[in-house]
Amino acid sequence: NAGVTQTPKFQVLKTGQSMTLQCAQDMNHNSMYWYRQDPGMGLRLIYYSASEGTTDKGEVPNGYNVSRLNKREFSLRLESAAPSQTSVYFCASSSRTGLYEQYFGPGTRLTVT
Amino acid sequence: AQSVTQPDIHITVSEGASLELRCNYSYGATPYLFWYVQSPGQGLQLLLKYFSGDTLVQGIKGFEAEFKRSQSSFNLRKPSVHWSDAAEYFCAVGAVLGGTSYGKLTFGQGTILTVHP
Repeated sequence: NAGVTQTPKFQVLKTGQSMTLQCAQDMNHNSMYWYRQDPGMGLRLIYYSASEGTTDKGEVPNGYNVSRLNKREFSLRLESAAPSQTSVYFCASSSRTGLYEQYFGPGTRLTVT
Repeated sequence: AQSVTQPDIHITVSEGASLELRCNYSYGATPYLFWYVQSPGQGLQLLLKYFSGDTLVQGIKGFEAEFKRSQSSFNLRKPSVHWSDAAEYFCAVGAVLGGTSYGKLTFGQGTILTVHP
C-alpha cells in the first residue's frame, strides 16, 4: 500500500496564479483532510471531508477550495495564490473523522512569489 | 474550543540521555490525545495515542506518554534517546465537532528535538 500520496512535492507560483494540489489514499478511509504547516504554528486545518460527498471548512479556509472527487481523492485548489499561502501542505486520512489516528502524506512545499 | 500547548519550542539532549517533551491541553471532556513525529522533509507519523483506560501508553520507537487529567498534561518520554530521534514532535487533541458525530485534531506548535552525539 502506498498510503497517502500527494502531488506535486514542490511548487513555485507567482501571485495571482492558480493551482490544484492532489491527494489520494489507498486505505479505504472515509475521512480526508488538508492542513497547512507554518513555522511555530503547528498544523492548521484548512478543509476536511468527513465522508465521500461532504466537505467542511476548518480553521483557515479563506483562499482555498476543495473537491472530494471520490472516496480515494481529495484535492485542494488555490484560485488566486497570495504570498501568505506560502507554506507546506499536508493531506491526511483517517478511518473515522478526528477521533482516530490520521495518516499523513509527505507534503507539498509551496512558494508564492 | 480545544487547544494544545507545547511549552518547549526546542530541546537539546545528548545521545543516551532521557527525554521528556511537555504537552498541555484544554478540552471540556475526556480528550483523545496523540503524539506525532515529523522527520525533516517528511509527513507526520503517529507515535502513540490515548483514548481511555491505562493512563500510561506505549508507542513505537520506545516512546511512552502519561495522561494526567489533574494536570491536563500528556507528556512524552523516552528513557534513552538515539541520534535518529532528532525530529519535530507534535502533540494533538481530538475533539468532537459540536452538533455532529465527527471530530477533528488540534495540534500544538511542535517541539524540535536536537540530539548531540
